[in-house]
Amino acid sequence: SYELTQPPSVSVSPGQTASITCSGDKLGDKYVCWYQQKPGQSPVLVIYQDTKRPSGIPERFSGSNSGNTATLTISGTQAMDEADYYCQAWDSSAVVFGGGTKLTVL
Amino acid sequence: QVQLQESGPGLVKPSETLSLTCTVSNGSISSYYWSWIRQPPGKGLEWIGYIYYSGTTNYNPSLKSRVTISVDTSKNQFSLKLRSVTAADTAVYYCARGAGPRHWFDPWGQGTLVTVSS
Repeated sequence: SYELTQPPSVSVSPGQTASITCSGDKLGDKYVCWYQQKPGQSPVLVIYQDTKRPSGIPERFSGSNSGNTATLTISGTQAMDEADYYCQAWDSSAVVFGGGTKLTVL
Repeated sequence: QVQLQESGPGLVKPSETLSLTCTVSNGSISSYYWSWIRQPPGKGLEWIGYIYYSGTTNYNPSLKSRVTISVDTSKNQFSLKLRSVTAADTAVYYCARGAGPRHWFDPWGQGTLVTVSS
């Protein structure tokens, strides 16, 4: 079965740029989306179709996808961005989630 | 804006059937895909399956033999049944909306914790 691999954790200083990767075989041929989940809350969509931001998501969130790796980039990271982040893609007709990355802002 | 709310028992005995309902408000269930997704405590997300408003379903191959998702358009609701549950099925269960065949999930319900225990 298809797998998406994320680093378990990423740390970033406030105001710096955070990059969270998601790897999978020929992932660049698929659309990837990203979700943010804060403790005790439901996931929130922050990027869809590789690069698009839903209404209400700050411009500091951006995405890219090429080759075997998709990347979620948070520019000017704020303390409120500390959360778990999950990538998601489709393989055939099934949804696949990455294992999640805990972003720590310190 | 559309809102989703899960409901159902918070405790299910091993070997029994887990049953949940998701009620869609401030929007129609028509023309969208409706999914169930779960998250075991402290772990990641797992897609269970979806139903299109017309009744077409698609399930995670790893759960397919135990899952049924149905829709009631008259009540703006869709439901999940997971049979023969074990402790490994203990999780927060979310319902979520998807648009288009290769969709993303937005929005999500608040989630409901279901514990499998005797």
